[in-house]
Amino acid sequence: GAGVSQSPRYKVAKRGQDVALRCDPISGHVSLFWYQQALGQGPEFLTYFQNEAQLDKSGLPSDRFFAERPEGSVSTLKIQRTQQEDSAVYLCASSPLGAGRNTGELFFGEGSRLTVL
Amino acid sequence: QKEVEQDPGPLSVPEGAIVSLNCTYSNSAFQYFMWYRQYSRKGPELLMYTYSSGNKEDGRFTAQVDKSSKYISLFIRDSQPSDSATYLCAMSFSGNTPLVFGKGTRLSVIA
Repeated sequence: GAGVSQSPRYKVAKRGQDVALRCDPISGHVSLFWYQQALGQGPEFLTYFQNEAQLDKSGLPSDRFFAERPEGSVSTLKIQRTQQEDSAVYLCASSPLGAGRNTGELFFGEGSRLTVL
Repeated sequence: QKEVEQDPGPLSVPEGAIVSLNCTYSNSAFQYFMWYRQYSRKGPELLMYTYSSGNKEDGRFTAQVDKSSKYISLFIRDSQPSDSATYLCAMSFSGNTPLVFGKGTRLSVIA
């Protein structure tokens, strides 16, 4: 497709389960970002990749959160031992520009809505 | 105090009204300023992008940045029901730092 694709769109997990969220960015986009958006809040930065390199993971809230982009295209955000406070929409965004030239024009996917019971 | 403050609304206006949306911020190092629009259950999409201070116009939309006051605005002229969405301001320090978003203002334009 032409846009950023995320799956699953909706995920319900029991507390303590592990989840994996997938992002397929726009083809050829160098930069990939994960954001977390809680209900009624703006997106909050989690982590950033330039190609396969994870250049910034300062926003990951705990060591239960892990992200990878092994071949510089598709990325997976994994959350281990999910907690209720992890309930949120997880947004993936990509940009054709690399670090140092990223002016903030991001193309977002529709998000994966995670509900932890 | 959050780095970026934005009144969450909701804001309800009649069709054809001029809408003014605003954000304030605390860190004077922000240089890049954006407005994103987010429809319900969709991802944000970029509306306007401004570097440093000044105005930028695109059709019915005008973005203003006042760095001396740490204040940015988005004006929507001749508002339409299709403008009903959440409007998020966002800013970054440089080309390689992540965006910091406001919490968004929910706008409803009533026909």
